[in-house]
Amino acid sequence: LAKTTQPISMDSYEGQEVNITCSHNNIATNDYITWYQQFPSQGPRFIIQGYKTKVTNEVASLFIPADRKSSTLSLPRVSLSDTAVYYCLVAADNYGQNFVFGPGTRLSVLP
Amino acid sequence: DTAVSQTPKYLVTQMGNDKSIKCEQNLGHDTMYWYKQDSKKFLKIMFSYNNKELIINETVPNRFSPKSPDKAHLNLHINSLELGDSAVYFCASSQERRGTNEKLFFGSGTQLSVL
Repeated sequence: LAKTTQPISMDSYEGQEVNITCSHNNIATNDYITWYQQFPSQGPRFIIQGYKTKVTNEVASLFIPADRKSSTLSLPRVSLSDTAVYYCLVAADNYGQNFVFGPGTRLSVLP
Repeated sequence: DTAVSQTPKYLVTQMGNDKSIKCEQNLGHDTMYWYKQDSKKFLKIMFSYNNKELIINETVPNRFSPKSPDKAHLNLHINSLELGDSAVYFCASSQERRGTNEKLFFGSGTQLSVL
């Protein structure tokens, strides 16, 4: 099973900032933290990846505290099209037994 | 153009049949994968190929056999289908050297239903 824990679901309204926290207490030294987004009937899509501190790209920000036992994906000003399942993934590489997507967080953005 | 394309989108078949799912990527990536997503939405790796060479097989039954004719294609053949094989199968690719964690590009999935 995935070694991460996320809320099963979250609701938000358009224009709000959404923060999804993922717990990974047993993260290993060489593990990276990666977030993917999945729409119905589509494959997951890479959003952001980080190792420590803060990472920002054109889509989201990723906050990682010093102990790396959790991470928070921040989506600024969400829109209806951000309704999807968001997966937090902790792994050192793209294959191997640690590379398991858990059930993710189902984000519903309401008008 | 679709970066990672897999066919068919839906596959409904009877137990005991043999079926194949095809995957192609036009990203020039060196590594391709097959993942299985079960009803609880857990997505787990099945196979990984790097430059046509199998580099991982995660305890998948022998009934599943990947075939990579070239580095842009990774097909999945399944023999003697069982009810428990019903799931969504995703193909993915990455430009990767072994031991790295580069972003994955997924296809849109194949919904396999075994009756």
